[in-house]
Amino acid sequence: QKEVEQDPGPLSVPEGAIVSLNCTYSNSAFQYFMWYRQYSRKGPELLMYTYSSGNKEDGRFTAQVDKSSKYISLFIRDSQPSDSATYLCAMSGSSYKLIFGSGTRLLVRP
Amino acid sequence: DTAVSQTPKYLVTQMGNDKSIKCEQNLGHDTMYWYKQDSKKFLKIMFSYNNKELIINETVPNRFSPKSPDKAHLNLHINSLELGDSAVYFCASSSGDWRNTIYFGEGSWLTVV
Repeated sequence: QKEVEQDPGPLSVPEGAIVSLNCTYSNSAFQYFMWYRQYSRKGPELLMYTYSSGNKEDGRFTAQVDKSSKYISLFIRDSQPSDSATYLCAMSGSSYKLIFGSGTRLLVRP
Repeated sequence: DTAVSQTPKYLVTQMGNDKSIKCEQNLGHDTMYWYKQDSKKFLKIMFSYNNKELIINETVPNRFSPKSPDKAHLNLHINSLELGDSAVYFCASSSGDWRNTIYFGEGSWLTVV
């Protein structure tokens, strides 16, 4: 079993839809949770960062962490074609090692 | 002005060759990384250096050897390349605290034929 599981998709939605991206994990020591966005032929860039459980909102993006269920989510409101990319969840404990999910490919149709 | 730059971006080479990928960051970060991303987009850490010292060394074949001449540079040398080494290699840097952002380079696409 991988430490971090993420549905690879692809997930195809119409423009304006609310997108929900999710990851589950097995290591209860994880306490820092991140979402990265990766465009084709580019490096990942950090979108959202949360510590421990709870919600964090930044513009159209909301990150949720439920440590009791070992489940994290990223919601994108009013999705745009420019949001089409691969979204990678990532998490770490007290070490320097960041563990990534395999990424979900999102396509927002105009 | 690119924060994390790596060269070359594309590299096609034959099995058995030795090749290097260079990385430089101008962010003043103390920590640098090499990640490997396979064809299924799975991103996995290979090495991490903090102030030129190796702090993470995952289960990577000995044919892979990182070198950090100073804290702004982390190069990756690969000996005796194999078909399975074909992947995208990302260099990254951070201030060393996992609560801070990790900045990735654009990636180096390595194809071994």
